[in-house]
Amino acid sequence: GAVVSQHPSWVICKSGTSVKIECRSLDFQATTMFWYRQFPKQSLMLMATSNEGSKATYEQGVEKDKFLINHASLTLSTLTVTSAHPEDSSFYICSAIPLQGMNTEAFFGQGTRLTVV
Amino acid sequence: AQSVAQPEDQVNVAEGNPLTVKCTYSVSGNPYLFWYVQYPNRGLQFLLKYITGDNLVKGSYGFEAEFNKSQTSFHLKKPSALVSDSALYFCAAYYGSSNTGKLIFGQGTTLQVKP
Repeated sequence: GAVVSQHPSWVICKSGTSVKIECRSLDFQATTMFWYRQFPKQSLMLMATSNEGSKATYEQGVEKDKFLINHASLTLSTLTVTSAHPEDSSFYICSAIPLQGMNTEAFFGQGTRLTVV
Repeated sequence: AQSVAQPEDQVNVAEGNPLTVKCTYSVSGNPYLFWYVQYPNRGLQFLLKYITGDNLVKGSYGFEAEFNKSQTSFHLKKPSALVSDSALYFCAAYYGSSNTGKLIFGQGTTLQVKP
């Protein structure tokens, strides 16, 4: 099946620094990528939808200046957590939809565990 | 607001018994419906989907789901549970057009299968 690689799988950073998370579709092109945040034993909260070549669409309550999303190509989207604080610590997951659309399925990265100290 | 609901935080079942994990949705139009499974600190694995056609959908690892439009439900089922099925299960709905569509998830249900 299609593979989505998310990197890094875990990261620890100091408060005030920025962290970039990459999401790559390895063997398919994706027009749309979703970014989610997941708290322990809770659901995936949709943060934003990114389409290649256009600005990301953020969900209500998600700060776009804090969570910068760039979808520069059909195989790469990045999420940058700027000026990270301990409350940003979470599990972040990306998902990519192939060009064929949701008639197939959405493919998920392995997730990134972010810990801000 | 569009939403997916999984009314049970946890489902406990004995190995060999049938299992059901419930899902209902409140989404406009005709959403695509999915079930995913998640193991600790991992991404999501696809189990099955409903787009159109037969209301009973068969998926991976012996799982199946029944789409019921009148009840807006998409319950996950398996005739005989395995201990290895123990995991966190998510129901999801995709709605909207190709460039503006969204994929949203239910709260998740922890399935515990006991030997």
